Amino acid sequence: DTAVSQTPKYLVTQMGNDKSIKCEQNLGHDTMYWYKQDSKKFLKIMFSYNNKELIINETVPNRFSPKSPDKAHLNLHINSLELGDSAVYFCASSQAGLDTDTQYFGPGTRLTVL
Amino acid sequence: DAKTTQPPSMDCAEGRAANLPCNHSTISGNEYVYWYRQIHSQGPQYIIHGLKNNETNEMASLIITEDRKSSTLILPHATLRDTAVYYCIVRVGGQNFVFGPGTRLSVLP
Repeated sequence: DTAVSQTPKYLVTQMGNDKSIKCEQNLGHDTMYWYKQDSKKFLKIMFSYNNKELIINETVPNRFSPKSPDKAHLNLHINSLELGDSAVYFCASSQAGLDTDTQYFGPGTRLTVL
Repeated sequence: DAKTTQPPSMDCAEGRAANLPCNHSTISGNEYVYWYRQIHSQGPQYIIHGLKNNETNEMASLIITEDRKSSTLILPHATLRDTAVYYCIVRVGGQNFVFGPGTRLSVLP
């Protein structure tokens, strides 16, 4: 059973298009995250989201918008894709309110913008 | 910015113990030490975490110095599948995980 899953695994698209990446977790966690790993391999958080609050990393362009239909899902919608958006995007989840809220990551979505 | 310092790369012979060091000299009293690893093209995988005491699970052992300024992740019998980038992270609960460049461990046959 996959704890945190993402679709699609690979996404190739043209500049200017709008695309979405889906994430689902079956761990019963109440907090989910999106991370970006660029070509330099640095993994950086983009958003964290729980039932009550969306926390946006101020360095993330507003073309990126997370959408959470329910506690188990956090989708990432990207408008007007740019070449620099090419990266691997990872979803993660954790249970908030614990001293040790370990995050569990999905397998990643490799986005290539042409 | 990451609050930890790790060597950029290490080699280990298959079957031997892999000891990965991490310096976190500015760690505060309520910050935990976490270890994750990322095998090529996969999502980061949680390994272990600890506060003060040494910890062991089915994957690894975590040794934290008494002053908590450094720690060592031990993979007791490294296999080729342990080749990965290993990240040491310090944080309090609720804070974001800040990933540094990590240590690229190569397990050699």
